[in-house]
Amino acid sequence: DIQMTQSPSSLSASVGDRVTITCRASQGISNYLAWFQQKPGKAPKSLIYAASSLQSGVPSKFSGSGSGTDFTLTISSLQPEDFATYYCQQYKSNPLTFGGGTKVEIK
Amino acid sequence: EVQLVESGGGLVQPGGSLKLSCAASGFTFSGSAMHWVRQASGKGLEWVGLIRSKANSYATAYAASVKGRFTISRDDSKNTAYLQMNSLKTEDTAVYYCTRHPNEDPDYWGQGTLVTVSS
Repeated sequence: DIQMTQSPSSLSASVGDRVTITCRASQGISNYLAWFQQKPGKAPKSLIYAASSLQSGVPSKFSGSGSGTDFTLTISSLQPEDFATYYCQQYKSNPLTFGGGTKVEIK
Repeated sequence: EVQLVESGGGLVQPGGSLKLSCAASGFTFSGSAMHWVRQASGKGLEWVGLIRSKANSYATAYAASVKGRFTISRDDSKNTAYLQMNSLKTEDTAVYYCTRHPNEDPDYWGQGTLVTVSS
């Protein structure tokens, strides 16, 4: 199985900060990488697919990059509605696997 | 508008069975692979399994933790995917989500349905 390691597991940031979350795959997954945002009590919401493609309707402050084993999700200017938990997922091969999540909290 | 609506969750005793449904609308259901993902309270996301489209022979795949106990199926005439869960264990307690993967890339998620396995 492909292991997905996300870091950090949590971070504190201020409104307006630039935030970067990383995700590392235990083996190469090309660009079969997605990012999701989840707020408490809600279903996850898809942000990025194919490592760097923005889902329709997702604001451009979110961006993704990477290929192979190392990936990043960047939020260019953190806003109050962005405080949430973020997950990466590889879908290169079964079983699909998720990173452990990164909780973004208000500083 | 794409919508995925899960139903069928509830309280079941260990060893029991439950069948979840995922009703889809707003897109061509028959052409999309459908996945199930679960989340135990306070924990991360865990992939459960998938079913591909008719064009891909309705192929299925499962997580090791549920293989042999869970079965995913679909009825394209009803735009619905199913998750049949047998021999349920307390560790299967979670919110279960269905998700859409058109052209392999994941996008929409349902709101989830809670399954509680307890005596």
